[in-house]
Order: sequence, then structure tokens, then C-alpha cells
Amino acid sequence: GAVVSQHPSWVICKSGTSVKIECRSLDFQATTMFWYRQFPKQSLMLMATSNEGSKATYEQGVEKDKFLINHASLTLSTLTVTSAHPEDSSFYICSAPWRGRAEDTQYFGPGTRLTVL
Amino acid sequence: QKEVEQDPGPLSVPEGAIVSLNCTYSNSAFQYFMWYRQYSRKGPELLMYTYSSGNKEDGRFTAQVDKSSKYISLFIRDSQPSDSATYLCAMSANSGYSTLTFGKGTMLLVSP
Repeated sequence: GAVVSQHPSWVICKSGTSVKIECRSLDFQATTMFWYRQFPKQSLMLMATSNEGSKATYEQGVEKDKFLINHASLTLSTLTVTSAHPEDSSFYICSAPWRGRAEDTQYFGPGTRLTVL
Repeated sequence: QKEVEQDPGPLSVPEGAIVSLNCTYSNSAFQYFMWYRQYSRKGPELLMYTYSSGNKEDGRFTAQVDKSSKYISLFIRDSQPSDSATYLCAMSANSGYSTLTFGKGTMLLVSP
């Protein structure tokens, strides 16, 4: 399988500040990564698709100016929550596609819990 | 009708029981089927991957896909308390590079 990491795992910030979350593919290159948001007891909601070297594609209803995505290299994508507010508090998870001998699917990072005070 | 239906549970079973988890879907274009396990406050972990129809076994886990009925299942044999988690079914029409459609997840509780 493939390993995807995220940093930080947990962040607390004050309202109005910006927070950056990193997603890395550790043992493979990922030209595409996906960012999800998950509220308690709910399933994952796709926010955007991050593409290396080009602009991210955002899902309907997701504010691109609030959730800035930068796919700077083949192993790193970042999500910046700008001017965070308490309603942005959530669990943010990234994933990367992996195509191996026996599978063609997505592997997920461990997630980042954001709490905005 | 939602694209993927999954009973949210919780499903409570005693240790050692056989667990059956299921999802139904409506989009006949889906070809890639996954089961992810998610522990509380953790990211989803890939458990089983199946392309098209058929069965796949890995240790105590068996995944089944019936495309004619648009129905997928995950069986867990000899369930353990450590299996207590939320199980998410996911599927896509194309490769892993395309977006996944998830079920709501089923919470499983295995009591000692």
C-alpha cells in the first residue's frame, strides 16, 4: 500500500487567523490529491481536488478564497484555511491516488483536527 | 434516492460473531469498490479493494460485489473488540484518480 501523512494532527487557533495543513505522499508521487472535510458522526465531504502545477478544482459550495490549496510538488499539497471562524472547526483529511499491481484507489492521511476559538 | 445507501447503525455484536456490513448503490457506472475502516479521530484506512464483481478475501475479511443487484458486502469473521470502528463503503466509476462516492458509514461495536 501507500502512506500519506498530514501535519499537524491537531491545531487550535483564534478566530481570524490562518491555518496551514500539509499533506504528503511518503513513498510515492501524487500529481493529484483530494481534500475532505468531516463533521462528527458524518461521512467525508469532498472539498477540492488538488493538482500539481495547476489550480485546484473546488466542489460546489466550497469557498476557494477561504480554503486555499497549493500543490507545490509531487509529494506535497497544502490547505490553508484563511481567516478561520468557529464554524470552520472540523476534521480535515487528505487522500492521494495509488495505482499498484492489485489496486487502483485512494489512500488517506490520518487527518487534522482544527478547532477555532 | 442517494447514490450510495449504508445503514449508519450502530451495530452491536459479541466478540467472535460474524459481522455483515452492506451498501447499495444506484449508479451502474461504478466499477471500483472499497471498504475503509475509520477509528474515532483518525483517517480512513483501506481494508478491501475490489474491481468489478466478485469476491475477495483477506484474513478475517471478505468483500463481495454484486453489480447486477448493485449491492456490496463486507464480512468480518471472528470479530474482535479491536474491530470496533466505523466502516465506510466507497466507490468510483473510474480509477483512484476520480472522486469517490461514500456511504454514510456503519458504526460497529464488538463487545468482549
